Amino acid sequence: ETGVTQSPTHLIKTRGQQVTLRCSSQSGHNTVSWYQQALGQGPQFIFQYYREEENGRGNFPPRFSGLQFPNYSSELNVNALELDDSALYLCASRLDRRGANVLTFGAGSRLTVL
Amino acid sequence: GIQVEQSPPDLILQEGANSTLRCNFSDSVNNLQWFHQNPWGQLINLFYIPSGTKQNGRLSATTVATERYSLLYISSSQTTDSGVYFCAVEPPSGTYKYIFGTGTRLKVLA
Repeated sequence: ETGVTQSPTHLIKTRGQQVTLRCSSQSGHNTVSWYQQALGQGPQFIFQYYREEENGRGNFPPRFSGLQFPNYSSELNVNALELDDSALYLCASRLDRRGANVLTFGAGSRLTVL
Repeated sequence: GIQVEQSPPDLILQEGANSTLRCNFSDSVNNLQWFHQNPWGQLINLFYIPSGTKQNGRLSATTVATERYSLLYISSSQTTDSGVYFCAVEPPSGTYKYIFGTGTRLKVLA
């Protein structure tokens, strides 16, 4: 089975720009979540999508938005980039089933905002 | 919200040594996972262990949910074990998010 893949792996943007990060979920997984990991910290939950709808959100402003597609792939969009948005963005997928909530992470997209 | 604390924050071992990493959480949880983050940033799932004990090769983990802690044991450490170890918990409130601890940074010396 394929794992979780993310693209791009690295990118540099300037303040005020917009960015789209992409994620392909592990085969058979119907739920995808996104996390932001600042340097030296643990990942922080941004939001989760199940069946193409957001069903959970962390403490992130509305300029962080997402999509999940019928094939369970996903996008994270960030508008009006700020310097503090520089971080590793991690996508995780799982099969939403009672007793089977193991998160599987991709390798991440490292965003630098100048 | 739930607080997740890991100890020690940093650990340096000689190759072949054993170690125990601890994760304390402040409230009951639905799920708990241990991850290893390699130097390239990839988070690798080590254990899905909301309760009980599991072993996988040189690694084992124990979660005592009633006392709100989990332990990760690494035996006969190797240089490839270096990296950051995270404990992550999912609250029972149905918010679907995992809350990560601050991590233990492990360096194994040859």
